[in-house]
Amino acid sequence: NAGVTQTPKFRILKIGQSMTLQCTQDMNHNYMYWYRQDPGMGLKLIYYSVGAGITDKGEVPNGYNVSRSTTEDFPLRLELAAPSQTSVYFCASGGGRLNTEAFFGQGTRLTVV
Amino acid sequence: GENVEQHPSTLSVQEGDSAVIKCTYSDSASNYFPWYKQELGKRPQLIIDIRSNVGEKKDQRIAVTLNKTAKHFSLHITETQPEDSAVYFCAATIYNTDKLIFGTGTRLQVFP
Repeated sequence: NAGVTQTPKFRILKIGQSMTLQCTQDMNHNYMYWYRQDPGMGLKLIYYSVGAGITDKGEVPNGYNVSRSTTEDFPLRLELAAPSQTSVYFCASGGGRLNTEAFFGQGTRLTVV
Repeated sequence: GENVEQHPSTLSVQEGDSAVIKCTYSDSASNYFPWYKQELGKRPQLIIDIRSNVGEKKDQRIAVTLNKTAKHFSLHITETQPEDSAVYFCAATIYNTDKLIFGTGTRLQVFP
């Protein structure tokens, strides 16, 4: 029963470096989401997807890109890391207009130095 | 744009007392309102939800109420226990966009 799996759990990046945060789910959900959570703050929606091949911007998309080639995978790409992207990133699946529970991954703690 | 406001940001109560957290949403197309609990260093997990065709829902010590006219919904925790201490998030799904937008969170501390 894996649910939503994120890798890596921790990462330190230098300014200007790039990386991809991986997210995969085994619940056959169409809806998937990426959020960032700054220290002591709420969850801000970065990008979301309603199915394979379909993605859309959330509240804070600048500096990020996503793709959704399969139902299972929804990677988040940071092209030119900046200190402002230091945060905990959560991937979630489920929810959407089906009005069902969204399940979260365990998070990726990213530090940009 | 879509927005969910949540109050208070922190809440301290004595064990056994009740706690109430309130949220307001901006988009009248919102039709699903979940509440998540996040313990320190953990992922958010759903504790209760309510759909727009229902005014109130209860599950043991927790309940959620929805006022569609005022675009308010609230979480009520009765007989609080120390293990209720966590950050609680309200959220709203906007029907025609499928976005799931979260409030800013409430840090609840229950003192023994």
